[in-house]
Amino acid sequence: KAGVTQTPRYLIKTRGQQVTLSCSPISGHRSVSWYQQTPGQGLQFLFEYFSETQRNKGNFPGRFSGRQFSNSRSEMNVSTLELGDSALYLCASSTSGRTYEQYFGPGTRLTVT
Amino acid sequence: QKEVEQNSGPLSVPEGAIASLNCTYSDRVSQSFFWYRQYSGKSPELIMSIYSNGDKEDGRFTAQLNKASQYVSLLIRDSQPSDSATYLCAVMIGGGGADGLTFGKGTHLIIQP
Repeated sequence: KAGVTQTPRYLIKTRGQQVTLSCSPISGHRSVSWYQQTPGQGLQFLFEYFSETQRNKGNFPGRFSGRQFSNSRSEMNVSTLELGDSALYLCASSTSGRTYEQYFGPGTRLTVT
Repeated sequence: QKEVEQNSGPLSVPEGAIASLNCTYSDRVSQSFFWYRQYSGKSPELIMSIYSNGDKEDGRFTAQLNKASQYVSLLIRDSQPSDSATYLCAVMIGGGGADGLTFGKGTHLIIQP
């Protein structure tokens, strides 16, 4: 079974621009979560989508948004990029069962200059 | 505020010995606990999940959970140089994943040949 895929793998943007990242979950997984990883803050939860609905959102500003499509693929968008948004953005997929084991994709490395 | 604490290390262990990694969490209603391994420049890889008090063994890995003490640990037996990585402890409150995973900042493990 193919794993979680994320595109693009690397991205360089300038301050003020916006960016869209894409994630395709493992086949059969309906839940997609997004995380930001930085050296200082570690891994932090952004939001989770299940059946095209955002179920919860972490403590990030409204510039960070996302959506999920009917095929469970998900996108996240960051508008008005800031230097501090430079990070590894990770997508994780999971079944909807109680055990809720999450499997991460390779991530998108975003650099904001 | 949900918190997950880990000793950042580095934890240096000789090859063939047992590596012991520890994690404490603050929220008493946490229900699901995970250990991820992350190699430098890679995304986190799920290696163990545990949901009930006691021990869970999978190959060379044993996860231990004590909910009364709010403590979860990971033992790696017969440590190999390939086990050198950062180990992330993650905690989920409730089921269904809507709150996302709360991660510790990880313990850097070095296995010395």
